[in-house]
Amino acid sequence: EAGVAQSPRYKIIEKRQSVAFWCNPISGHATLYWYQQILGQGPKLLIQFQNNGVVDDSQLPKDRFSAERLKGVDSTLKIQPAKLEDSAVYLCASSFTDAGELFFGEGSRLTVL
Amino acid sequence: GENVEQHPSTLSVQEGDSAVIKCTYSDSASNYFPWYKQELGKGPQLIIDIRSNVGEKKDQRIAVTLNKTAKHFSLHITETQPEDSAVYFCAATSGNTPLVFGKGTRLSVIA
Repeated sequence: EAGVAQSPRYKIIEKRQSVAFWCNPISGHATLYWYQQILGQGPKLLIQFQNNGVVDDSQLPKDRFSAERLKGVDSTLKIQPAKLEDSAVYLCASSFTDAGELFFGEGSRLTVL
Repeated sequence: GENVEQHPSTLSVQEGDSAVIKCTYSDSASNYFPWYKQELGKGPQLIIDIRSNVGEKKDQRIAVTLNKTAKHFSLHITETQPEDSAVYFCAATSGNTPLVFGKGTRLSVIA
């Protein structure tokens, strides 16, 4: 069974530039999550989708972050404009249900200079 | 909201010894407590979990205990091996709220 796919694995940008990350969840998983993991900390939820609807985006900085999950399958997370403090690993995870085990991708490491 | 504290932040043990990582949570409504292992350059992977109707759960060399009254839960790894070296995260949720992670424990198993 293929795992959660994420791209790109690494991205370096300058502050005020924009960046987009892509995630393809495990086939059949209805719930998709984007987490932000700052170095030395645990993952923090940014947004949770159930199919193509948003369940929780309370911790998403909506002035600069946006995410979508068209057709309820893959998802993109965008940051525009980026700030230095956005440097982190962005993890995508999926689960069969909203109460099931989370399966994480390998993450996209963002460095903002 | 939920707050999860995890200790220690780093832990070094000799191969074959046991390792214990402890977490406390603040929300008494939390009822699901998973533990994740994260290897370098990889995403976290679930290794064991426990629900609030159970006090202890074991899977080979790994066990988790839960004390609901004190609001703390612990991960126990026995007979540690070099491949156990990784960062371990505890987490908690009531099911109606997002999973909240601790800050992680970097475990080093010295051969």
